[in-house]
Amino acid sequence: DAGVTQSPTHLIKTRGQQVTLRCSPKSGHDTVSWYQQALGQGPQFIFQYYEEEERQRGNFPDRFSGHQFPNYSSELNVNALLLGDSALYLCASSSRVARAFFGQGTRLTVV
Amino acid sequence: KQEVTQIPAALSVPEGENLVLNCSFTDSAIYNLQWFRQDPGKGLTSLLLIQSSQREQTSGRLNASLDKSSGRSTLYIAASQPGDSATYLCAVPLNNNAGNMLTFGGGTRLMVKP
Repeated sequence: DAGVTQSPTHLIKTRGQQVTLRCSPKSGHDTVSWYQQALGQGPQFIFQYYEEEERQRGNFPDRFSGHQFPNYSSELNVNALLLGDSALYLCASSSRVARAFFGQGTRLTVV
Repeated sequence: KQEVTQIPAALSVPEGENLVLNCSFTDSAIYNLQWFRQDPGKGLTSLLLIQSSQREQTSGRLNASLDKSSGRSTLYIAASQPGDSATYLCAVPLNNNAGNMLTFGGGTRLMVKP
């Protein structure tokens, strides 16, 4: 059984561009959350998707948006990239209120 | 607003030592608390999850305790090994329920020297 998978593993983008990150949840999981982890810090909650809707959002601007598909996979989109958006982006999945499992992350570098 | 703090931020010990990592949280009305391990540039691996009704959880050489009233949790690692070198993160649910919306501490970066 594959766990949480994220793609791509690494990405380099130029300031001002847009990026899309992808997450496939663990089998049987229907809820996906996204996190941003800057170097040397703990992960920060971006938002959660359940039943194809954004359920809760952390303190992130509207440049960060997402989507959940009928198969429960999810995308994180970031527009107008800033240098400060460089971070490890983590996806976590669970079955609603059950224990969370994390993917290996996507390392985004904005130059 | 829930805040989670971890002390120390970094720790270096010789192999074989027993050690304690600390985690504190400001709102004691938590549903559970999790400890994670993170290797450099990698994702998070869940080590232990303590429900609010529990006082401790054990897995191998790891033991995590929870004191909700004082807003504290500790992760005890017995007989540390170089392979234990990693960052350890504690996290509590964002909204006093379970699931994958978590508030994390800043982590403790552990180095175990051979």
